[in-house]
Amino acid sequence: AQSVTQLGSHVSVSEGALVLLRCNYSSSVPPYLFWYVQYPNQGLQLLLKYTTGATLVKGINGFEAEFKKSETSFHLTKPSAHMSDAAEYFCAVSRQGGSEKLVFGKGTKLTVNP
Amino acid sequence: EAEVAQSPRYKITEKSQAVAFWCDPISGHATLYWYRQILGQGPELLVQFQDESVVDDSQLPKDRFSAERLKGVDSTLKIQPAELGDSAMYLCASSLGVAGELFFGEGSRLTVL
Repeated sequence: AQSVTQLGSHVSVSEGALVLLRCNYSSSVPPYLFWYVQYPNQGLQLLLKYTTGATLVKGINGFEAEFKKSETSFHLTKPSAHMSDAAEYFCAVSRQGGSEKLVFGKGTKLTVNP
Repeated sequence: EAEVAQSPRYKITEKSQAVAFWCDPISGHATLYWYRQILGQGPELLVQFQDESVVDDSQLPKDRFSAERLKGVDSTLKIQPAELGDSAMYLCASSLGVAGELFFGEGSRLTVL
């Protein structure tokens, strides 16, 4: 079975500070990994994904994540937080394949302070 | 920009009543998903359709939940009877089948009293 663990249900940063949201995965087969963002009362939106190839992936809104197989991690970072980044962020894993289901973590709520 | 449409956005019902949610995916998306998101948790897959066929409903509580996608386009998720523990956001998503690229609707928030 596949699973993800997001460390920290709440993260608070100051505007302009580094954003680091942590995700560790468990998978018996090579995984596909994803980060989704959810703004209040909205659905989820794909930020970025890792499937194969380059382990550092860039997404929308200046976010990036690095797949580290040795650490079974896929942490999300952004060099400088903006007020508009305040949202809930979900890490997800799936088996390789086009229509394999996503298994989501419990989410990390990011607060950005002025 | 094409979107996944869901209705109703909000539904309040009493326990033991029936409730239904509707989803219209992005045109051309063959794969449709229903997820349940309990407050403070990540989304959990209830059912996955490929066209009109169910691909995965292993986490769907079949004694009270049903889902259909009769013509392979829009879909309905029904709960009968509703229980207090069903209070959650019900999210519909669709996909072209590209790995993990799901497009979510805004969700239907259910409150069971």
